[in-house]
Amino acid sequence: GQQVMQIPQYQHVQEGEDFTTYCNSSTTLSNIQWYKQRPGGHPVFLIQLVKSGEVKKQKRLTFQFGEAKKNSSLHITATQTTDVGTYFCAGTSNTGKLIFGQGTTLQVKP
Amino acid sequence: SAVISQKPSRDICQRGTSLTIQCQVDSQVTMMFWYRQQPGQSLTLIATANQGSEATYESGFVIDKFPISRPNLTFSTLTVSNMSPEDSSIYLCSVDSMDRDQETQYFGPGTRLLVL
Repeated sequence: GQQVMQIPQYQHVQEGEDFTTYCNSSTTLSNIQWYKQRPGGHPVFLIQLVKSGEVKKQKRLTFQFGEAKKNSSLHITATQTTDVGTYFCAGTSNTGKLIFGQGTTLQVKP
Repeated sequence: SAVISQKPSRDICQRGTSLTIQCQVDSQVTMMFWYRQQPGQSLTLIATANQGSEATYESGFVIDKFPISRPNLTFSTLTVSNMSPEDSSIYLCSVDSMDRDQETQYFGPGTRLLVL
């Protein structure tokens, strides 16, 4: 079946370092969404990318959607302790279903 | 945007019993989704609840184990039947909503279930 793979599973960084998580789909996606889940919380929508090669920024977060619409990345510049959590990508397949990646858990050491 | 509440927020249950989880949305939505998130894992879609018709279940999930009700456009319930410790998870409901011209999926706060 359709899968969305996300790496790395865990990342520990020193505060101020950059962080990147990557998603790859086995098939072309209609769009990709990114979510953040704080420890003990629920997933919170961050952004949706729809167009091939699209790049969007939210302050220190940069989101990219690949040209083939099969991969995506989230890059955080100069991490802060408030960035701690698990970041999930989720791709919408051609059947309309949202398929979540495994998530990348980010720990930031102050 | 959509505001979603879930009841109960958490529960500890004995194996063999059943628990019904409620999901309330502050606006009318066509589809409501039920997800399961096992400890340290990603989200897995259980089923899509449509108002006025039977829920659509994903592979590996069946109506007898996870019966769903959708009596109106703002409310749904998910029952976890004949529970076993393997059912210990966070159960989340979610809805699609338009937010600043893009379709966004909003999640409820989740129901944390522990089965002993």
